[in-house]
Amino acid sequence: AQSVTQPDIHITVSEGASLELRCNYSYGATPYLFWYVQSPGQGLQLLLKYFSGDTLVQGIKGFEAEFKRSQSSFNLRKPSVHWSDAAEYFCAVGRANFGNEKLTFGTGTRLTIIP
Amino acid sequence: GAGVSQTPSNKVTEKGKYVELRCDPISGHTALYWYRQSLGQGPEFLIYFQGTGAADDSGLPNDRFFAVRPEGSVSTLKIQRTERGDSAVYLCASSLSTGGFYNEQFFGPGTRLTVL
Repeated sequence: AQSVTQPDIHITVSEGASLELRCNYSYGATPYLFWYVQSPGQGLQLLLKYFSGDTLVQGIKGFEAEFKRSQSSFNLRKPSVHWSDAAEYFCAVGRANFGNEKLTFGTGTRLTIIP
Repeated sequence: GAGVSQTPSNKVTEKGKYVELRCDPISGHTALYWYRQSLGQGPEFLIYFQGTGAADDSGLPNDRFFAVRPEGSVSTLKIQRTERGDSAVYLCASSLSTGGFYNEQFFGPGTRLTVL
């Protein structure tokens, strides 16, 4: 069975600073990997996904993530955060080549932005 | 266009009562998912429908939980004899189905269930 670990429960960064949120996954075969953002009162919104190919993927809102198979990681990055980026971020894994099916989520990282 | 909608947005009930949570998927989405998100946790898979049938119900925690999707559109999650541990946000997601390919899941805002 697949699993996801997000080691940082809460991260605080200054507006304009760079950001990296960590995600490690466990899955014996090729994974599909996702980052979602959840703002208060909002549904989960997909930021970006990795299926195959280029290991550096670009997403919405200026986010990017890099898949590193050797480290079983899929860390999320942003060069300069904005106050509006304050939210909860979830990494998720799915099984590649199984079509539509469930996602397994990590426990999330809460991002706080200070002026 | 309209996204995934869920009703009610909040539900407070007493221990032992029966509740129904409704999900309206995006029009044309044949795949529908239910997840449960407890406080401080990520969403946890409950059940996945492809059309009217449950393709994967491996996440349902016990037989008090049941979900239906009789016409392949709206789905209802039913919880019998609710317990305080059932308190959580219940999320619904829907997606297209295109052959054997994965399709993005679009999530609703959730129903916050509180069992007193």
